[in-house]
Order: sequence, then C-alpha cells, then structure tokens
Amino acid sequence: RKEVEQDPGPFNVPEGATVAFNCTYSNSASQSFFWYRQDCRKEPKLLMSVYSSGNEDGRFTAQLNRASQYISLLIRDSKLSDSATYLCVVYSSRRSNYQLIWGAGTKLIIKP
Amino acid sequence: NAGVTQTPKFQVLKTGQSMTLQCAQDMNHNSMYWYRQDPGMGLRLIYYSASEGTTDKGEVPNGYNVSRLNKREFSLRLESAAPSQTSVYFCASSEGTIGNQPQHFGDGTRLSIL
Repeated sequence: RKEVEQDPGPFNVPEGATVAFNCTYSNSASQSFFWYRQDCRKEPKLLMSVYSSGNEDGRFTAQLNRASQYISLLIRDSKLSDSATYLCVVYSSRRSNYQLIWGAGTKLIIKP
Repeated sequence: NAGVTQTPKFQVLKTGQSMTLQCAQDMNHNSMYWYRQDPGMGLRLIYYSASEGTTDKGEVPNGYNVSRLNKREFSLRLESAAPSQTSVYFCASSEGTIGNQPQHFGDGTRLSIL
C-alpha cells in the first residue's frame, strides 16, 4: 500500500456541480495535511490547510478523518477555472525524522 | 514579489555531466526543500534544509548534493547526471519548522539527461 494514495481520475464534472475526492494515508501518526492545486506544467500552489475540525474557504471544504485515515476536499458550484490536478501532502515527524509524502494527484476536468 | 526563484528553467545535459540548480527565496523563510516530479507520481523530496547551515536527506537523495548557502539560497547539484534524473525539479520554502507550514514553490526546472 502506498503511504499516500489518491484516485488519479480524471473526474469529468459539469460546471456548477459539486465534486469531492479523498486522499488516504497510512501513517497514523501524521500531523499536518494540506491540499494543493497544480495546473498543467506549473508549480503546485497551496489551496488550503486541513484542520482537525474541518475548514472551509469559499466553495472549498476540507475534512480530516483520523479514524479512517483520510482527508477530503469538496468543491461546490464548480467553475471551469477549477480544472487542475489536486495534490494532497501529509507530514509526520518522529524525533528528528521528517516525512513529507505527496499523493500523485487527482485530475479534475470541469466541462461547460 | 518574486517569492521563490529557480534557475535555469530548462536544461539539457549529457550523461555524466554535472550541473547545479539554483534556488532563492525572498520571504525570510527558515525551511527550504528540493523535490522532483515525474509523470504519474507525486512530488518526491530529495533534500531539505530546516535552517541555514543544516541539510538532511529526503526520500530520494541518491545522486544529488545540496548546499544551504545562506538563509535565502538552497542549491541542488547533480555530480554525474544519469537519464533516470530526467525530471521536473521544484524548490520550495516555508516558514517555521519542516513540513508543518504551507510551502511556496518556484516554477520549476525541466531537466533532460540524454
């Protein structure tokens, strides 16, 4: 099992729809979680951090489920500009050993 | 605001050649990172630096060396390039300690090894 797994997609979604995808992780001691978006041939850009209580930023909602070891991203009222690859990253530390493990990404295509 | 600047943006090398990828950030961040990204895979951490003067191995350090020259600059060196090192390389920086703060990325170096 990969340490961080994402459904690669692509998710083909009509404009205005709601879409959600998950990112599962294997290290139960993981401490920090983030969602990034990456446009084709561009650098990743932070979308949002994921907090234990869940958090929302406009049309985007992130959730953490520690019991089942996954984080989720929900996008409401999707726009054409939301088309991108969404990457999750999971951080854990043990003594002085740091782990930053990235998922391979979920590709989202919003269709008019 | 420049943020994180990487040079060069593109490079083609022959097997066995050496080169250094440069990275500089102007956000006064403590932590800096070098990643590689291959098709269908997530970013993989090559090396990181928690502060000026310190560097540590990440997930895939073999074939690479790094230098944290000062707080702003973190360079990645390929001593003897191999075709398996063909990839897109990203430098990133973050506030505070490694990993638990959002990272800011440069726009990447596309490196081909023939």
